[in-house]
Amino acid sequence: NAGVTQTPKFRVLKTGQSMTLLCAQDMNHEYMYWYRQDPGMGLRLIHYSVGEGTTAKGEVPDGYNVSRLKKQNFLLGLESAAPSQTSVYFCASRNGGLNTGELFFGEGSRLTVL
Amino acid sequence: GENVEQHPSTLSVQEGDSAVIKCTYSDSASNYFPWYKQELGKGPQLIIDIRSNVGEKKDQRIAVTLNKTAKHFSLHITETQPEDSAVYFCAAIPSIFGNEKLTFGTGTRLTIIP
Repeated sequence: NAGVTQTPKFRVLKTGQSMTLLCAQDMNHEYMYWYRQDPGMGLRLIHYSVGEGTTAKGEVPDGYNVSRLKKQNFLLGLESAAPSQTSVYFCASRNGGLNTGELFFGEGSRLTVL
Repeated sequence: GENVEQHPSTLSVQEGDSAVIKCTYSDSASNYFPWYKQELGKGPQLIIDIRSNVGEKKDQRIAVTLNKTAKHFSLHITETQPEDSAVYFCAAIPSIFGNEKLTFGTGTRLTIIP
């Protein structure tokens, strides 16, 4: 059982380049999330999705776009990367209402923007 | 929105001693409080959670206590072992039903000294 898989695990970009992070989950979870983790700032929510075809903004959405075309996949896009987007990105999923389910995280994607 | 503060940011304890991490939250309607453990190079993993109708919950060496009046909750680890070394995050659910966003604290790096 793979759980939540993120690709790529590492990436180096130049300022202005674009890229997409892919998150795939095999647990049939409705909800999926993208977080970024920075030193001293914990986990901050970028975007999330409560079902296939839906997305919503989180705490720090600027500079990112997302899509949930298939239930098992949640894509995070950077159209024009900036050094401030250097971070470790985590995808997570959960089943049903937040009051009843735990978040299952991927192992993270480390992005460096030069 | 919900604001979660976590203290201390770093904590070192001798192996076998106890460790306590504290969190406060701002939204009095929050009703679910999970704790996540993040080992080096991995995504966070749920270790214990508590709901607002319970004051304390234990699972072997870990316990969580909740004080709704004071709006704070704590993680207690007894008889600490080297494998307890990790970053720990508390979290809380905002009060708005359907918001589906989990607010995390900024994390505590726990180091167990052999």
